[in-house]
This record gives sequence, C-alpha cells and structure tokens, in this order.
Amino acid sequence: QKEVEQNSGPLSVPEGAIASLNCTYSDRGSQSFFWYRQYSGKSPELIMSIYSNGDKEDGRFTAQLNKASQYVSLLIRDSQPSDSATYLCAAMDSNYQLIWGAGTKLIIKP
Amino acid sequence: DAGVTQSPTHLIKTRGQQVTLRCSPISGHKSVSWYQQVLGQGPQFIFQYYEKEERGRGNFPDRFSARQFPNYSSELNVNALLLGDSALYLCASSLADAVGEQFFGPGTRLTVL
Repeated sequence: QKEVEQNSGPLSVPEGAIASLNCTYSDRGSQSFFWYRQYSGKSPELIMSIYSNGDKEDGRFTAQLNKASQYVSLLIRDSQPSDSATYLCAAMDSNYQLIWGAGTKLIIKP
Repeated sequence: DAGVTQSPTHLIKTRGQQVTLRCSPISGHKSVSWYQQVLGQGPQFIFQYYEKEERGRGNFPDRFSARQFPNYSSELNVNALLLGDSALYLCASSLADAVGEQFFGPGTRLTVL
C-alpha cells in the first residue's frame, strides 16, 4: 500500500517565525513530490514541486527532499496569518498518479 | 484565462440515485483527474483521463465511471449512491500526462441523504 504520512496537527506557529511541515512516503519509486495549500472550504493550490535531493527555494517557501530517508519537508519563513491553512504533501507514484497525505493544519498566531 | 470550472457547486441526492458531475479544464490542458475528498483527509484519486483515454483508476467501485470529451471537458458519474459517497469531488487539470502540477476546480459538494 503506497502511503504518504503527515502529522495532522494543528501546528501552531507565532507570526514571523519559521513553520516546518514534514512528510514521509512509502514508495521508493516515487521521484516527484508536491506541496499544496488548502484553505478551509477551498480547493488545493500548488505551492512547490521538488524532484531532486536537496533544497528548492521560492520566495518564503523552501522545499527539502531526502530520497534516502523518504522524507519531504516544507519550510515557511516569516510566517503570516494568511499562511494559516492545511498543507497537503503528494508523491507521484510509478504509475504517474498522485498519492496524497491527509494534510497538516497550520495556524499562524498574530 | 478562466481556471478549472466544475458544476454543479452543490448537490443533494438520496441513496440509490445517480449523479453526474462536470468539469472543464484550463484552456490548453489535456489531462483531467478526478478526486474525492472527505473532511479531514487528503484527496483520493478516482480517475485520470488524457487525450480522451483513461490513464489511471483509483480504488473505487464500478459504480464510479468517467469520460473525457473531444474538447477535453470531463464527466464523473456515480450510480447507486451510498451515504458514504458524500464528499467534495474535485477535478484537476494539467498540461500533459504524468504531471503532478495540477490545477483544481472549486469542487462539487455532494450530499447523499
């Protein structure tokens, strides 16, 4: 059974701090990984994609991938109240389908 | 450009009925995927279509079916509705096959009574 695991949270972070979101996956054949943000009552929207080991930065967001440990993370610097949402991690399996985690609820406290 | 559109927005049905959900992808996108999302869980993959062909099917019963039209729009059909089919049904489009960067529509909220 291919799985993507995330801590459901909620993860509470003070405004201006760094939020760290983590995800593990079971399928060693997965090569592509994605972070989506979902506001309450809305549909998911893509934040970051990462394909190679290491870090990928885009503005306040940094995605990190460690294929040996089957671990993906998302760092959000200078967290803002508008970052409060559920963050979904997804891995593309060997059949090119996305396997999704259940999401981590992030709360940024002003 | 318009984003992914879905209709209807909300739907209430009773057990045993049939439902058809519709999706129009972003212009130029040829791949459409359907997901079911229950509150507190991530999206569960139902189907993917690319160039009018089924490219993938998730672990859903045969009551679920879908198709893609020549203009790349898509329909998801669910027969013999069960209470457990109550969920948010999401459609996502992407430029091509095997692409994880997907763009989601607003979803259809289905309630089965």
